[in-house]
Amino acid sequence: NFMLTQPHSVSESPGKTVTISCTRSSGSIASNYVQWYQQRPGGSPTTVIYEDNLRPSGVPDRFSGSIDSSSNSASLTVSGLKTEDEADYYCQSYDSRNHGVFGGGTKLTVL
Amino acid sequence: QVQLQESGPGLVKPSQTLSLTCTVSGGSITSSDYYWSWIRQPPGKGLEWIGYIYYSGSTYYNPSLKSRVTISVDTSKNQFSLKLSSVTAADTAVYYCAREEITIKRFDPWGQGTLVTVSS
Repeated sequence: NFMLTQPHSVSESPGKTVTISCTRSSGSIASNYVQWYQQRPGGSPTTVIYEDNLRPSGVPDRFSGSIDSSSNSASLTVSGLKTEDEADYYCQSYDSRNHGVFGGGTKLTVL
Repeated sequence: QVQLQESGPGLVKPSQTLSLTCTVSGGSITSSDYYWSWIRQPPGKGLEWIGYIYYSGSTYYNPSLKSRVTISVDTSKNQFSLKLSSVTAADTAVYYCAREEITIKRFDPWGQGTLVTVSS
């Protein structure tokens, strides 16, 4: 099986742009779609990006996703940061046997 | 709008079996478009996928938990359930149920989660 590695934490100022990476340890990042979930303190995760770069309705276009085969990683970019974006973010994908795999999560601080 | 709600004991003794139920409302658990999943999150830690079930009863489990996990479905009650045997303190976590879209491969929506503590 593979692992998805995320930075433990990132921080940036309001109005700025931040990017969170998610690196796949083995196999191609392009093999299986990557999803991104936002989890605010005390809350359940909600989808901010699915199928690598699609936004569910209701998610602001300040959130965008991408994959990079050269670094075998996915990225979540949040632009025009707001204090309400402060949360934990998890990437998620699947292995060849349809087993779900989550990254360790990244704490985004907007200061 | 589909909603999921977990229920079950909040305290389980070591070596016993953890049992939780997820009730689905606003939609049918027999839809062919979805799997029904369990995911857990130890306090202060990340998410761990436990497994899922299809309405027909087909299951897939996390290999690291497979020997202790059973997920079942009751279509008459629009519910699915989790049993985790031989629990230890390491199984203390918030347990979430979630719907998984088969084609899109995302977990949405999630239940509110229920904290299960393993302690004597």
